[in-house]
This record gives sequence, C-alpha cells and structure tokens, in this order.
Amino acid sequence: QSALTQPRSVSGSPGQSVTISCTGTRSDVGTYNFVSWYQQHPGKVPKLMIYAVSERPSGVPDRFSGSKSGNTASLTISGLQADDEADYYCCSYAGSYTHVVFGGGTRLTVL
Amino acid sequence: QLQLQESGPGLVKPSETLSLTCTVSGASISTSAYYWAWIRQPPGRGLEWIGTVYYNGDTYYNPSLNSRVTISVDTSRDQFSLRLSSVTAADTAVFYCARHGTMIRGGFDSWGQGSLATVSS
Repeated sequence: QSALTQPRSVSGSPGQSVTISCTGTRSDVGTYNFVSWYQQHPGKVPKLMIYAVSERPSGVPDRFSGSKSGNTASLTISGLQADDEADYYCCSYAGSYTHVVFGGGTRLTVL
Repeated sequence: QLQLQESGPGLVKPSETLSLTCTVSGASISTSAYYWAWIRQPPGRGLEWIGTVYYNGDTYYNPSLNSRVTISVDTSRDQFSLRLSSVTAADTAVFYCARHGTMIRGGFDSWGQGSLATVSS
C-alpha cells in the first residue's frame, strides 16, 4: 500500500482533458509544496513532468499542469494526445522521518 | 550533460546482499545543491524511494527498509552505492539512481536507465 493514493486508471479521448488525483495527509502533501509528478511509458525511465506542485521543467508541454488543495494534489493533462498514454506517479516530501513518499501510480489510457 | 548509470550483478541469491553502484558523469557529485537517491520498481508495480545520500556522506533512508539499507558515496570516483541486505524474492526490482534537490523541491530531475536485480537461487 502506497503512502499517496492515486486512482488505478483514468481515460480520455484525444483532445480532451483528464485529471489525476493524488491524496496524502497533513504529514506530506498537506504541509509541503514539494509535490512532483512523473510520466513513465512501458519499459522506460520515469520522466519528471511537474515539480513544486505546479512548476514545469523545461521541455514539458504546457498541456501538463499541477495544482494542490489541502491534502490532495492533481495533475491535469489537456488536449490529450496518443503519446500521453502512460503511467503517472505523484511524489511528495514527507518530513524529516519519512522523507519521500510515492503514489501507487495511475494508468492513463487515451481512447 | 548529466548522466547517471547503474551497475551491479543482475542476480542475487536469497538472504545475500544486493550491491549496486551509480556512476555520475557530466557533473560532480560533490555539489552542495543536490542529493543522490536510489529508487526501485518491482516488476509491474510502482516506484519506491529507498534512500538518499549527500556528498558529505549524510544519509536518509526509507523507514520501511532502514534496517537493511546502506547507501554510501565516493566523491573521488563520482559514484554512490547501495547495499540491501537479507534480500528475498520481494526485493526483485528495477533499481534506479536519481538526483534531487533539497526536500525534493525540484523533483527527481535526472535518472539512470535502471538496473534489474533478480533475487533467485
């Protein structure tokens, strides 16, 4: 059981928007604005898509956006494309004892 | 350009110690700005942070693995290493090394290609 809770799967049609939630606690997501999101295609290395809740690394399309409300962070992908089909993982700093927690991952299917 | 590369045995016997090394190239591991981490992913499952080392040797471990994990750094070789003791089949995974900043505020921004370690007799 992962420390952060994500839906097992989400889906959307090309051009649509989808949102993936990531629910933690006051000990991680609720306290720290250090939530990051990773995209992982099958057999590939995870790629950083969002950091510090809503910041995009250079090269990541602005179709990807992040937000947070309370203990839940969200990743929204707009204008879905076929290549967005992948697994997505959230991650949060969790303080000086636990340090780092990941979500269990969400499989995005582009219909 | 920063590159990280994992290396180590692909097969480990149950109850033995799994050892992996990550070699950093394109930048010095001895930078105060970054930390160096190990993350694993069992086949078909999610990511799990194992632990992190700073260039000065400070370490931070996942509490669930703390008793079995040792991470060390060799700044002269720009390498850091993972030792996971008393392994079982449940420890079979792809092991990634990665870089991050303080409190993971910038995320894990660089990753190695991953190294599959299988625990089997």
